[in-house]
Amino acid sequence: GAGVSQSPSNKVTEKGKDVELRCDPISGHTALYWYRQSLGQGLEFLIYFQGNSAPDKSGLPSDRFSAERTGGSVSTLTIQRTQQEDSAVYLCASSLVKGFHEQFFGPGTRLTVL
Amino acid sequence: AQSVTQPDIHITVSEGASLELRCNYSYGATPYLFWYVQSPGQGLQLLLKYFSGDTLVQGIKGFEAEFKRSQSSFNLRKPSVHWSDAAEYFCAVGHGNEKLTFGTGTRLTIIP
Repeated sequence: GAGVSQSPSNKVTEKGKDVELRCDPISGHTALYWYRQSLGQGLEFLIYFQGNSAPDKSGLPSDRFSAERTGGSVSTLTIQRTQQEDSAVYLCASSLVKGFHEQFFGPGTRLTVL
Repeated sequence: AQSVTQPDIHITVSEGASLELRCNYSYGATPYLFWYVQSPGQGLQLLLKYFSGDTLVQGIKGFEAEFKRSQSSFNLRKPSVHWSDAAEYFCAVGHGNEKLTFGTGTRLTIIP
């Protein structure tokens, strides 16, 4: 595929359940980002992966949130024991190299926690 | 701490009219500035970016933005809007470890 893909596009879950959100970055992009977009708010940075370096997790809102990136490509964002305030659109982006090169965004995963 | 303010939550303009979307930032060093557009159901697309040099930046789809350090602003402009420009527009400042801080967005509505 030519762009960043995310799955699922929509996820409805019950409070307390765990969810996994997947991101497939553009092939060859070494940097990968996760953002959260809540209703009426801007995009909130969550976590950043660059190559084999330790990820920057400074934006994760709580220890219920975690992410991994396997083989320098696909990334999974996991939210444990979901809460209603976790409802948002989760966006993934990738960029070719480190250093403010254009970030290409996926279409997002809309998470609804009932 | 860095921050981005987009004071206009919603703007409505007539098709063919000019457009200016405001963005103010707070950042201690030379900022990297971006404008993104998000159409309904789609991801964000980069319109333009400022890293250094000429303070008037040209982007895609006929958009431009001007960096004014004295005003800490990076306003987005277009001389004549088209119905297809209706979308949400986000200003962002880049900093530190390549993170972006986004404004809350401005929703643009185009009326015929």
